[in-house]
Amino acid sequence: QVQLQQSGPGLVRPSQTLSLTCAISGDSVSSNSAAWNWIRQSPSRGLEWLGRTYYRSKWYNGYAPSVKSRININPDTSKNQFSLQLNSVTPEDTAVYYCARSVGHIDIWGQGTMVTVSS
Amino acid sequence: QSVLTQPPSASGTPGQRVSISCSGSRSKIGSDYDYLHWYQHLPGTAPKLLIYRNNQRPSGVPDRFSGSKSGTSASLAISGLRSEDEADYFCAAWDDSLSGWVFGGGTKLTVL
Repeated sequence: QVQLQQSGPGLVRPSQTLSLTCAISGDSVSSNSAAWNWIRQSPSRGLEWLGRTYYRSKWYNGYAPSVKSRININPDTSKNQFSLQLNSVTPEDTAVYYCARSVGHIDIWGQGTMVTVSS
Repeated sequence: QSVLTQPPSASGTPGQRVSISCSGSRSKIGSDYDYLHWYQHLPGTAPKLLIYRNNQRPSGVPDRFSGSKSGTSASLAISGLRSEDEADYFCAAWDDSLSGWVFGGGTKLTVL
């Protein structure tokens, strides 16, 4: 059974970097049939896909245009996990952040992490 | 503003059948969106996959839940409504132009 376990701080200061990690059990971050996504949800923006990383003989990334200039999603094969880094955050980045696996459809979600951007 | 449009709320009494719609704001359902997927979300928990590829149920999802897609509209139907079905439901699709996932705004289902 595939499970995703998120970790990271719930409070980030404005202009700083938001960093979250998603640990995978029951699958591999290097899977040739899965992609690993970050998604967030806020009352003002609803559900918003942020980006993904996946392996198909080499590593690929894809990012949403709304955050492309300040986001990085990186796999860590040694720990079988992937991470989200969102730079230069503002209060508008306050949201519940989810990691998720997609295999043609999103089938597994992490438990969510409430991240507040505030001084 | 969500790319996929859902009614904000729906309701029904135990035993009833309810249906929740999902439409593309740019009429992309039926053309650009081949597959719609549906999720159940209880606050504070991970969303749960209910229907994938328009009408396929993962193992463990009761057959009370069904999905359909016809032309430019898609819907999730729940028959034999139960109190534990009270939750938020949202749809999702892969958007080729975005090369990413798009979502509906969610429908809060109340079991009266």
